[in-house]
Amino acid sequence: QVQLQESGPGLVKPSQTVSLTCSVSGTSISSGGFYWGWIRQHPGKGLEYIGNIYYTGTTYYSSSLKSRVTISLDTSRNHFSLKLTSVSAADTAVYFCARAGQCTNGECFENNWFDPWGQGTLVTVSS
Amino acid sequence: QSVLTQPPSVSGAPGQRVTISCTGSSSNIGADSDVHWYQQLPGAAPKLLIFGNNNRPSGVPDRFSGSKSGTSASLAIAGLQADDEAVYYCQSYDTSLSEIFGGGTRLTVL
Repeated sequence: QVQLQESGPGLVKPSQTVSLTCSVSGTSISSGGFYWGWIRQHPGKGLEYIGNIYYTGTTYYSSSLKSRVTISLDTSRNHFSLKLTSVSAADTAVYFCARAGQCTNGECFENNWFDPWGQGTLVTVSS
Repeated sequence: QSVLTQPPSVSGAPGQRVTISCTGSSSNIGADSDVHWYQQLPGAAPKLLIFGNNNRPSGVPDRFSGSKSGTSASLAIAGLQADDEAVYYCQSYDTSLSEIFGGGTRLTVL
């Protein structure tokens, strides 16, 4: 059973960089065929896609966050990370990591879905 | 404002059937991008409910079904139960924006 668990600092000061890690168990992130992604949810709001990284290391980012986001893989520790720079109060949110894929049981679809998800970690930006 | 438009809320009595719409455009759903649906219970992470427009992952009851036509998609929930109360999100891919989510629909079971 694939499980994901986010970890991070919880509280970050404005203008700083926040780094989050998603630890994966039950599968290897380098085993192929999947993307590993980040999604966030502002308090009381909907879901916002941040970006994905393919097992090869190729990254895909939301156009609105692209200039501030870096997603990377650490295959030796079987985890992947999110780095968001120059944070402000608008970045206060619950950050989820998830596995993304578009194929199952030999059938592939046009675009990725996210499954499973981590439980999420709250990042608060405040001085 | 989300690229995929969902009604903010829907409601129904136990046992009834409700549908939640997800309206996109020619750059996402209308561009043959598939639609996926998630259920988010209070205080929990989203859970995949439907993938590839109308496919249920293992363990999801057949009370949940999805469809897609043109630039829109729908999630139907039959035989409403109290524990279906949640927020439901659609997700697709936009050729200009990459992965996109709808704004979410809160389902209330009366």
